[in-house]
Amino acid sequence: DADVTQTPRNRITKTGKRIMLECSQTKGHDRMYWYRQDPGLGLRLIYYSFDVKDINKGEISDGYSVSRQAQAKFSLSLESAIPNQTALYFCATSGFGASGATDTQYFGPGTRLTVL
Amino acid sequence: KNEVEQSPQNLTAQEGEFITINCSYSVGISALHWLQQHPGGGIVSLFMLSSGKKKHGRLIATINIQEKHSSLHITASHPRDSAVYICAAPLWNTDKLIFGTGTRLQVFP
Repeated sequence: DADVTQTPRNRITKTGKRIMLECSQTKGHDRMYWYRQDPGLGLRLIYYSFDVKDINKGEISDGYSVSRQAQAKFSLSLESAIPNQTALYFCATSGFGASGATDTQYFGPGTRLTVL
Repeated sequence: KNEVEQSPQNLTAQEGEFITINCSYSVGISALHWLQQHPGGGIVSLFMLSSGKKKHGRLIATINIQEKHSSLHITASHPRDSAVYICAAPLWNTDKLIFGTGTRLQVFP
């Protein structure tokens, strides 16, 4: 079984709808991340969480919210989806590196979201 | 100017060729990551290195901290190496990765 899973894998929705993307991990990591990927751009960080009580905004958090329900679960919500949120979304987890810096990140398979 | 830049953006090669992908960064970092994104979209971490060189199979990653430059080499390339290769760096004293836009590699038989 995959260490990091995302549901759904594909979703088509309409402008204005509320969407939730879910991420679960079995690696026992405290750190979890949500990224979006757009053609021609690098992955960009939306939100990250270093434990259940710690939630931090990334570089493009506007229009998104997150919930860390448990160590293993980190959900991303689009409260009112808009077409420019059409993208590939990735969840990732990491441990705590010896130097304190980000350790190797493990990515989920991605969710392809289309907002019409 | 992006804080993490990769070159080339696209690369084609014949099977067996030696491949080099470059990554330059303009900020202080604690380590540099190399990732591989498969045609189906999945992303796998290949290396994380803060100095010197690391090798895994046919893949070799090097970093020169003074020159703020890293390279990913693939020896004896194979069509299954076709993927997008991404470098990423966490900004010093943060845990947020800044990603390059990727290098799309196609290896033909």
